[in-house]
Amino acid sequence: DIQMTQSPSSLSASVGDRVTITCRASESITNSLNWYQHKPGEAPKLLIWAAFNLQSGVPSRFSGSGSGTDFTLTIRSLKPEDLATYYCQQSFRTPFTFGQGTKLQIK
Amino acid sequence: QLQLRESGPRLVRPSETLSLTCTVSGGSTNRDNYYWDWIRQPPGKGLEWIGNVHSSGDTYYTPSFRGRVTMSLDTSKNQFSLQLMSMTAADTAVYYCARHPAADNWFHPWGQGTLVTVSS
Repeated sequence: DIQMTQSPSSLSASVGDRVTITCRASESITNSLNWYQHKPGEAPKLLIWAAFNLQSGVPSRFSGSGSGTDFTLTIRSLKPEDLATYYCQQSFRTPFTFGQGTKLQIK
Repeated sequence: QLQLRESGPRLVRPSETLSLTCTVSGGSTNRDNYYWDWIRQPPGKGLEWIGNVHSSGDTYYTPSFRGRVTMSLDTSKNQFSLQLMSMTAADTAVYYCARHPAADNWFHPWGQGTLVTVSS
């Protein structure tokens, strides 16, 4: 199975900050990397698909980059409603696997 | 807009079989360009993909679940289901249903999830 490693596992940032979350695959997955936002009590939500494509309806302050093994989710100008846990997921090969999550807290 | 909702027991006894249903509204399960998936999250742990079912009836099960999982689709009811046999405490988790496009492998949308506890 392809292992996905996210860092950091948690972080605290202030409103207006730029936040970066990284995801590393155990082997090359080209651009087959997706990002999800999961707020407590809600359904997980697709943010970014195929490394850098913004899902319809997702604010433009979210962006994704990377290819091969290293990927980044960036939140430009953090808002209070961005409090959530963020997960990456590889869609290169079955079984599809997720990172362990990054819990984002607002200072 | 498409919505998914999981339903089923909240408590399952060890060794029993879990049966969950995902009801789809705002769209049809009878489309050959989508798969219907189950994903779970044990308490304090990450997300784990269990597998999926296609409108053709084809299924894929993650190797770690093969032998004790069955998924099926009932297009007449716009529902799909998960059966997981021989439940243990390690199967305690929030279970989510989701959809993914056949040509792409991301999950959207998801249901809100249902917590299933395995305990005697």
